[in-house]
Amino acid sequence: GAVVSQHPSWVICKSGTSVKIECRSLDFQATTMFWYRQFPKQSLMLMATSNEGSKATYEQGVEKDKFLINHASLTLSTLTVTSAHPEDSSFYICSAVGRGTNQPQHFGDGTRLSIL
Amino acid sequence: QKEVEQDPGPLSVPEGAIVSLNCTYSNSAFQYFMWYRQYSRKGPELLMYTYSSGNKEDGRFTAQVDKSSKYISLFIRDSQPSDSATYLCAMRGSGNTPLVFGKGTRLSVIA
Repeated sequence: GAVVSQHPSWVICKSGTSVKIECRSLDFQATTMFWYRQFPKQSLMLMATSNEGSKATYEQGVEKDKFLINHASLTLSTLTVTSAHPEDSSFYICSAVGRGTNQPQHFGDGTRLSIL
Repeated sequence: QKEVEQDPGPLSVPEGAIVSLNCTYSNSAFQYFMWYRQYSRKGPELLMYTYSSGNKEDGRFTAQVDKSSKYISLFIRDSQPSDSATYLCAMRGSGNTPLVFGKGTRLSVIA
């Protein structure tokens, strides 16, 4: 149980395009989803927290107009990197927390984004 | 002082060894403690999830939490080459607050 699916796993695109990453909880309802960014050999850096049906809360230094988050349902959150540039190239990972108090976070397998 | 300190390693051990990984933290509000395993180019996989102080065992893995010392540990018995990965400690306070991660320890188990 507690499977989180992330798609796509790898995307390469040209500078200036927008890229959408999907995060789905497959066998549970996720009241909260988190989006992280990870650089090589470093730990996860929290970008934003999203609760179903409400606006995402962004961490300091993360541009909300650059990284659009939509938590449309209890099983789906999307991250759109708008007008992507090479410095946006990174490994993006989502996680989800199920209903109930003090549930653990379960992570997707990440999306490797490469902007040329 | 960072909220969570974790030695990044790398740590290299022979197959069959007992591995000890640990983290220290400074925030006394942390109540929930997790260990994740992350293989290269994959997302973190939850290994252990504990609340407050005490021990928890699951197969070859044992997690220990000592809140009085603000110190947590993960022990891996009979380590296998397939255990080679980065191990991340993570913790948080109550509710669905964001996790605070350690930097991760890179472990290599040599056959």
